[in-house]
Amino acid sequence: GQQVMQIPQYQHVQEGEDFTTYCNSSTTLSNIQWYKQRPGGHPVFLIQLVKSGEVKKQKRLTFQFGEAKKNSSLHITATQTTDVGTYFCAGLAGTGGYNKLIFGAGTRLAVHP
Amino acid sequence: DGGITQSPKYLFRKEGQNVTLSCEQNLNHDAMYWYRQDPGQGLRLIYYSQIVNDFQKGDIAEGYSVSREKKESFPLTVTSAQKNPTAFYLCASSRSWGTYGTDGTEAFFGQGTRLTVV
Repeated sequence: GQQVMQIPQYQHVQEGEDFTTYCNSSTTLSNIQWYKQRPGGHPVFLIQLVKSGEVKKQKRLTFQFGEAKKNSSLHITATQTTDVGTYFCAGLAGTGGYNKLIFGAGTRLAVHP
Repeated sequence: DGGITQSPKYLFRKEGQNVTLSCEQNLNHDAMYWYRQDPGQGLRLIYYSQIVNDFQKGDIAEGYSVSREKKESFPLTVTSAQKNPTAFYLCASSRSWGTYGTDGTEAFFGQGTRLTVV
């Protein structure tokens, strides 16, 4: 079946350092979504990318969608302790009129002050 | 106050018992999903539904069952056939891609139910 792979599984940074997580799909995606889950919480939507080669920014976060719509990345500049959590990418895949949201395994970010 | 509600927050099950987890949304979303999350792991899709009275198996449907009799509700039953049910269960809803295109199809999650087998 369709898979969405995400690396690294875990990243430990010092506050102020940059952080990047990468997402790859085995098939072309209709769109890519990014979510953040704080420890003990539930995933919260961050952003959606739809177009090939699309780049979007949210303050210190930069999101990219690959030209082939099979990969994506999230880059955080100058991490802060509030960035702690697990970041998930999710691909929307549809066949035969049914669409489902498939999540990557997530990258857990730890930020040390 | 619009949103998606899961209950209970914590649930304890004896071995051999079936339990049902509730998920209700008032966002008027067509699509609903159930995911399972194990400690330190990602989200694995159990079942999903695009429309009332229709649902599809996800990657790990064995030992689970669902129903979609109302648009607002998508309960998940964890049956005794599920050999390792202890996990964090998350329900989500979204607009349907088929109706609105790819925009606005982000998922809204409930607070989750932590199920423990005792």
